[in-house]
Amino acid sequence: QVQLVESGGDLVKPGGSLRLSCTASGFSLSGYYMTWIRQAPGKGLEWVSFITNVNIYTNYADSVKGRFTLSRDNVRNSLYLEMSGLRADDTAVYYCARVMGANYFDLWGLGTLVTVSS
Amino acid sequence: SYVLTQPPSVSVAPGEAATMTCGGNNIGSKRVHWYQKKPGRAPVLVMYYDGDRPSGIPDRFSGSNSGSTATLTISRVEAGDEADYYCQVWDGSADYVVFGGGTKLTVL
Repeated sequence: QVQLVESGGDLVKPGGSLRLSCTASGFSLSGYYMTWIRQAPGKGLEWVSFITNVNIYTNYADSVKGRFTLSRDNVRNSLYLEMSGLRADDTAVYYCARVMGANYFDLWGLGTLVTVSS
Repeated sequence: SYVLTQPPSVSVAPGEAATMTCGGNNIGSKRVHWYQKKPGRAPVLVMYYDGDRPSGIPDRFSGSNSGSTATLTISRVEAGDEADYYCQVWDGSADYVVFGGGTKLTVL
């Protein structure tokens, strides 16, 4: 079954760190760009970061640049989002998604909840 | 940075057509994609490349894009269509993904 499964979400204190994982099954991650998108409680969708699949290139939303790092392990068919310097406004459900064509997202995971609170 | 503007809400009766707009500077020159988001569920792609439907999306869903406005139309709206709908583009000048603020579709 083709799917993405996120994990690693947790309650963390402001200033803390967390690593989110996204594992693909039913297809090879190596063939695709991948992305993370988040939704804060009561808010809309917000793009976080994307990573290419060759000549690895990443980019980040201004709101997370310098604090988040996206990487991939094509052997483990997984994606990792390292988050540091977490703030209350990073509280959200984080989704990983597969990127297609002109940068649209055809496959999404169910999400993992990150809560930043003291 | 590029901005997409969506009306916060749209309400329609069952069986009627719902039209949701997405405004942006010369958005007609970009490829617009649309997602349906229901509470507690992952977003679902319902339209890509302005007007192409993924497999499994009913043909009641259609899309267009011209000038400064992209449009997602759902004809013969059903109760199950009630959700938030987000438009999305790629801002190639900054290697950025941009989402609109979302439109809440209410089926009366």
